[in-house]
Amino acid sequence: GAGVSQSPSNKVTEKGKDVELRCDPISGHTALYWYRQSLGQGLEFLIYFQGNSAPDKSGLPSDRFSAERTGGSVSTLTIQRTQQEDSAVYLCASSLDGLRNEKLFFGSGTQLSVL
Amino acid sequence: GEDVEQSLFLSVREGDSSVINCTYTDSSSTYLYWYKQEPGAGLQLLTYIFSNMDMKQDQRLTVLLNKKDKHLSLRIADTQTGDSAIYFCAESMNTGFQKLVFGTGTRLLVSP
Repeated sequence: GAGVSQSPSNKVTEKGKDVELRCDPISGHTALYWYRQSLGQGLEFLIYFQGNSAPDKSGLPSDRFSAERTGGSVSTLTIQRTQQEDSAVYLCASSLDGLRNEKLFFGSGTQLSVL
Repeated sequence: GEDVEQSLFLSVREGDSSVINCTYTDSSSTYLYWYKQEPGAGLQLLTYIFSNMDMKQDQRLTVLLNKKDKHLSLRIADTQTGDSAIYFCAESMNTGFQKLVFGTGTRLLVSP
């Protein structure tokens, strides 16, 4: 596609429910990242995919968080048993090869609100 | 651990220059970035600088890097109202990919 697409753009859920957030990276981009933007913590790295594998998932806050990527394209971030502190904007980004001098393209994010 | 700090707010008049400052702590950072975030939009990369450079200029943007003091700045010449946004500096951790540590963001307000 023309840019990184994330869905839904907004998600309101009740504490304890599971949620799935989707990211469609730019076609042909092998590197995919998830970041989280929250009032308390600012912008934080969550996980990095190169193709379908995740060499670095050190930023996932707890074992309630998981992510997968299939076909080297779409990625899904799943949060189980959501808590109020999970409320944040979840940003997905992609780049061509994952190199540090490449442009990282960010999606508009999914605003998650846990009531 | 890594920490990137920025002032929270900057207000300038249209046509003036804006200077946004950032300090970082990881001396092994080899790439430093400036991102712009407008309301309701994702982050947009403005420019980046490699650590063996002191300065990089790109149209109205000038990035200065002082490695000794771990200080990075972004100067926007002839600031326009459309430049009003939040600006984030970020450092790339010493990995083979863009594992970024972001600053707290500086909100730039440009008044006519």
